[in-house]
Amino acid sequence: KNEVEQSPQNLTAQEGEFITINCSYSVGISALHWLQQHPGGGIVSLFMLSSGKKKHGRLIATINIQEKHSSLHITASHPRDSAVYICAVILHSGGSNYKLTFGKGTLLTVNP
Amino acid sequence: EPEVTQTPSHQVTQMGQEVILRCVPISNHLYFYWYRQILGQKVEFLVSFYNNEISEKSEIFDDQFSVERPDGSNFTLKIRSTKLEDSAMYFCASTVSNQPQHFGDGTRLSIL
Repeated sequence: KNEVEQSPQNLTAQEGEFITINCSYSVGISALHWLQQHPGGGIVSLFMLSSGKKKHGRLIATINIQEKHSSLHITASHPRDSAVYICAVILHSGGSNYKLTFGKGTLLTVNP
Repeated sequence: EPEVTQTPSHQVTQMGQEVILRCVPISNHLYFYWYRQILGQKVEFLVSFYNNEISEKSEIFDDQFSVERPDGSNFTLKIRSTKLEDSAMYFCASTVSNQPQHFGDGTRLSIL
């Protein structure tokens, strides 16, 4: 049973395009993370959200708690944005240790 | 900016051998994690560590696995008798509390 579902699995875009990656979850959460994983494997935290919207540069993350849905948007995409974007949640039932439950990731390729 | 560091970056080991993966979390962080990612699959939680003890472990974290924080800085994951299916990327992460987790670059473990 996948508690965190992402779509699409793969996304190819042309440089400059507006990109949206979606994440849905099926259980109560206390927070949602968007992470970026580059081809070398390292993972970087982009956002942590529990409500509303956050923006950092060309990246915007939104969350709708009632609909159990979050989106990651990239404006004016660039080839250097090519990476795997991962949605991960902290479950309400996860106790107080803040462990992450991960989605499968979305592989984004931005072509010049 | 402080980083989580992991060593080695790549470990090749014969099946049945013991392996120790090392991590140095960020110095003022309180919560420590090991995650793993089998090639082509999603990241999975292994274990969380807080206040010098395991706070939660997954079904994957069986008797062959152990963690230690021997000296207040290093955080190690030991696999006592490795199996082929232990081949994966292992990530260490740390956080202060309910804040974004900081990940190391990972150790690629290859079991022959």
